[in-house]
Amino acid sequence: EIVLTQSPGTLSLSPGERATLSCRASQTVDRSNLAWYQQKPGHAPRLLIYGASNRATGIPDRFSGSGSGTDFTLTISRLEPEDFAVYYCQQYGNSLYSFGQGTQLEIK
Amino acid sequence: QGQLVQSGPEVKKPGASVKVSCKASGTAITNSMHWVRQAPGHGLEWMGRVGASGGSSSSTQKFHGRVSMVRDPSTGTFYMYLNSLRSEDTAVYYCARGTDLRALDIWGQGTMVIVSS
Repeated sequence: EIVLTQSPGTLSLSPGERATLSCRASQTVDRSNLAWYQQKPGHAPRLLIYGASNRATGIPDRFSGSGSGTDFTLTISRLEPEDFAVYYCQQYGNSLYSFGQGTQLEIK
Repeated sequence: QGQLVQSGPEVKKPGASVKVSCKASGTAITNSMHWVRQAPGHGLEWMGRVGASGGSSSSTQKFHGRVSMVRDPSTGTFYMYLNSLRSEDTAVYYCARGTDLRALDIWGQGTMVIVSS
């Protein structure tokens, strides 16, 4: 099973700043099998990025994804108040899916 | 885009079984249906998936023998059964639509399952 480790655990930033979230895999992940989600308290997760760098329908262009191999990044270029939430990466490999443990993005 | 509608909250005793339903409304399930759970204050845990027609299910080793994921062909409703419940199974259970892109693009609202004596 591929284990995803996200860092940092908590990221404290102000609106307007740039956020960089990391996701590291225990084995190589095909770029096409890496996704990112946003979750707000009391709500289901929302798909942000699929295929490592493709924005899902309706996702603003301030969200971008990059990376390959074992290292992937989610970047939010200019934080809006509604972006403060928990973010998860997810991978598919060896017929199984798994999620990272999440990064909490909080207002500084 | 459509939605997935799940059944209501459940309270179960240890050792019992639970059934959670998930029905698509305004959208089609053409690839797979996944089940993901989230314990209170914790992250997302992928449990497994079942094919769009109800065949070819798979789950993580952690749930082997305890979970069953099926589809009722008469109604198109998907079900997740979890048996031999223990307190650690207390969580919100989500169904989510799988895609050819290996991502989960539509999620149900979640079903709270509490296991308590």
